Amino acid sequence: NAGVTQTPKFQVLKTGQSMTLQCAQDMNHEYMSWYRQDPGMGLRLIHYSVGAGITDQGEVPNGYNVSRSTTEDFPLRLLSAAPSQTSVYFCASSYSWSVNYGYTFGSGTRLTVV
Amino acid sequence: GENVEQHPSTLSVQEGDSAVIKCTYSDSASNYFPWYKQELGKRPQLIIDIRSNVGEKKDQRIAVTLNKTAKHFSLHITETQPEDSAVYFCAARAGNNRLAFGKGNQVVVIP
Repeated sequence: NAGVTQTPKFQVLKTGQSMTLQCAQDMNHEYMSWYRQDPGMGLRLIHYSVGAGITDQGEVPNGYNVSRSTTEDFPLRLLSAAPSQTSVYFCASSYSWSVNYGYTFGSGTRLTVV
Repeated sequence: GENVEQHPSTLSVQEGDSAVIKCTYSDSASNYFPWYKQELGKRPQLIIDIRSNVGEKKDQRIAVTLNKTAKHFSLHITETQPEDSAVYFCAARAGNNRLAFGKGNQVVVIP
C-alpha cells in the first residue's frame, strides 16, 4: 500500500512550457485534490475531484487543468508555465467527500519556473 | 467561503513546556476540524481531528478543544520534545465540504 504517490519530486521549467504533475493513490479514495504551498500562504486549493469523471475548481485554479478518468489517478496540467507558478505542489486524497475523514498527502513536487 | 486564521504565527517553547496554537474560523456551518503537522521538507500529516459534536479530544501528548460559540479551536501539546518542532496547520470543513487551511504556525522547541 503506497498511499499517495506524486511524480516528479523536483522540476524546473522555462516560462511558457507545459507539463503534467502526476498523482496516484491506491487506497480507493473517492476524493482527490491539488494544493499549492507558498511561504506564508498556507495550503491553497487548486482543483479537486469527488469521483471519476467529476472535477471542480478550488480557490486558485487559473493556469491549471485537471482530469479524473480513473479513481486512482488525478494529474495536474500546467498549460503555459509562469514564474508565479513556482511553488510546492501537494496532492491529497480522502476516503469520502461527504464524510469527515482526514486527508492523506503525497510527498510533494517542488516546481521552479524560470 | 470559510476563512481560517491561526495565532501566533511562530511559537518558541522550552522543551518540556506546553504549547498552544489557536485557530478561528468564520463559517458557523463548519463541522470538522483537523490539525496537520509538517516537518521541514516533508508532507503534511494528520495528527488529530475533532468533529463539531465533541468539545475536546486527546491523543497522548496532544489534544484539541473546540468552542463552537466563539468559533475557535486550539491544539495543545504537553511535555514538548524537539521532535515536536514543525509547522502546524489547522483546517475547517465548511458547508461546501471544502477543507480550508490556515496559514500555519511554526513551533520551535528549544532543548
